[in-house]
Amino acid sequence: GAVVSQHPSRVICKSGTSVKIECRSLDFQATTMFWYRQFPKQSLMLMATSNEGSKATYEQGVEKDKFLINHASLTLSTLTVTSAHPEDSSFYICSAEGHLAGIVYNEQFFGPGTRLTVL
Amino acid sequence: GNSVTQMEGPVTLSEEAFLTINCTYTATGYPSLFWYVQYPGEGLQLLLKATKADDKGSNKGFEATYRKETTSFHLEKGSVQVSDSAVYFCALSDSHGNQFYFGTGTSLTVIP
Repeated sequence: GAVVSQHPSRVICKSGTSVKIECRSLDFQATTMFWYRQFPKQSLMLMATSNEGSKATYEQGVEKDKFLINHASLTLSTLTVTSAHPEDSSFYICSAEGHLAGIVYNEQFFGPGTRLTVL
Repeated sequence: GNSVTQMEGPVTLSEEAFLTINCTYTATGYPSLFWYVQYPGEGLQLLLKATKADDKGSNKGFEATYRKETTSFHLEKGSVQVSDSAVYFCALSDSHGNQFYFGTGTSLTVIP
């Protein structure tokens, strides 16, 4: 149980376009989802935390107008990189925590990540 | 504040060698501690965890003990395999369980 998927796994886009990345919890209800960014050979940097039905909380230094996060349901959160530029190229990873059938998952389950390349 | 310090890599070992990756932390309250593994091109997978002092997490031959007195959570494996080649991240979650802090990751390469 507790599987998180991401789509797409890889995306290449032109500079100036917007890209949407989906994060889904497949077998549990994700009350909270997290979006991370990972630069090559570096650790994960938390970008934002989103709770279902409310606005995301962004970490300091993360542009909320650039990285739009929507968590409209208990199984889906989306990250939209607006007007992407080459410096936005990175590995984006989501994670989720929540509950299913009364069992509270108080740990984060990570998606497989999305490799974004902006040309 | 909370933070995790992890030994820098890369680490290269021969198959069947003993592995230790050091991890120390700074935290307020009573954090939970984790080791995650990331294989090339993939996301993070939970390797093991410990939620309170003196707990030992173990999985796939890897072990780590939550040492509050030394604020450490070192990862060990007695005999590594080529398939263990990956990047290993030490992490802690705060007492509320809703914020993770990651170390910088340690790249391990096991050669036959």
